[in-house]
Amino acid sequence: GENVEQHPSTLSVQEGDSAVIKCTYSDSASNYFPWYKQELGKRPQLIIDIRSNVGEKKDQRIAVTLNKTAKHFSLHITETQPEDSAVYFCAALWAGSARQLTFGSGTQLTVLP
Amino acid sequence: DGGITQSPKYLFRKEGQNVTLSCEQNLNHDAMYWYRQDPGQGLRLIYYSQIVNDFQKGDIAEGYSVSREKKESFPLTVTSAQKNPTAFYLCASSGREAWGYTFGSGTRLTVV
Repeated sequence: GENVEQHPSTLSVQEGDSAVIKCTYSDSASNYFPWYKQELGKRPQLIIDIRSNVGEKKDQRIAVTLNKTAKHFSLHITETQPEDSAVYFCAALWAGSARQLTFGSGTQLTVLP
Repeated sequence: DGGITQSPKYLFRKEGQNVTLSCEQNLNHDAMYWYRQDPGQGLRLIYYSQIVNDFQKGDIAEGYSVSREKKESFPLTVTSAQKNPTAFYLCASSGREAWGYTFGSGTRLTVV
């Protein structure tokens, strides 16, 4: 099956700075990579996703990049704000089991005012 | 609540009891999933179902059981065989129109 590794596990940045979270995956057949944001005690919410036929996708202050050759993808948050503080999970869709996402272990992002 | 409802929000279980967590969706999604989340950790797959009357074990199925008698419903039973059930349980669903999951708001289970 798929294996997804996520780094770092914790990340603190000053408000206004950028934050980058990186994930690697093992199965080259994986073709869908979403990112979820989870605030304390709440459900994960999809914030951005990318499919394997593109290398980058942006949505306002957030962007995701994908390097299929190296099998890694990254989340970039620019101009961070305190409300960006949350746990962020990456995931990969394992083509060997339809619609089954494998999640990374999560990154606790803290934006310091 | 985004079309997928979990209940109850909080649940307390005594030692040796079975408890059932409810998950209902009105999104017409075919696939449904149960994840367990421990403090400071990621999501681990317990069971999933791609279609009515069919389900598959995930990575940590021992001590859990599920059923999928209706498309809308995917209840999870935490049995007495699950020795450490205290956790946050998330149900999710996915449909053909999008590959991402929609999550329920979760059930926090505590053993007392």
